[in-house]
Amino acid sequence: DGGITQSPKYLFRKEGQNVTLSCEQNLNHDAMYWYRQDPGQGLRLIYYSQIVNDFQKGDIAEGYSVSREKKESFPLTVTSAQKNPTAFYLCASSRTVINQPQHFGDGTRLSIL
Amino acid sequence: GESVGLHLPTLSVQEGDNSIINCAYSNSASDYFIWYKQESGKGPQFIIDIRSNMDKRQGQRVTVLLNKTVKHLSLQIAATQPGDSAVYFCAESYTGRRALTFGSGTRLQVQP
Repeated sequence: DGGITQSPKYLFRKEGQNVTLSCEQNLNHDAMYWYRQDPGQGLRLIYYSQIVNDFQKGDIAEGYSVSREKKESFPLTVTSAQKNPTAFYLCASSRTVINQPQHFGDGTRLSIL
Repeated sequence: GESVGLHLPTLSVQEGDNSIINCAYSNSASDYFIWYKQESGKGPQFIIDIRSNMDKRQGQRVTVLLNKTVKHLSLQIAATQPGDSAVYFCAESYTGRRALTFGSGTRLQVQP
């Protein structure tokens, strides 16, 4: 089945540690996104990518980094500079960035040890 | 600034009734709107979308209404079922902003 796979489902980070969240899609979509969701709140955009080897900062990019070396993959690194990383992280993809439905994975829940 | 918000944080309905979830937006340039359903511990699931050149669109048991004059969007669910219980988000975008802006969500509770 086509879809978006995020891994791991749960992740724990120690102080001063970088962690990388995986996102893979087999929908042949050009655009991919990362969102952060805090309890009882909506989604906030971290980064997005329109095409391979291109990505743009979203509304809350500080403390995060991404890469887009392959069309199907868009990993997110939560760096030690992100002082409040505990959240639910959601990856999405769409055919293009303009006025298209985004399809989401089932998220990674990141917690601090 | 641009914002998307919801009038009611929690909506409780009886099984079989129709549900209406409302959403206000502030950006008059918004031209694309979308509704998602999110169940606990899962990612948002696409329900229906609508472009600004339309004022109504129907799907299976769902209807989205768009009133651009008052910048209001609503999702109607017919014959609500227990499986419809979830948090519903509206989101909007406009040409030039290459991403969606999400509202804070409404929890729909369906009573048996």
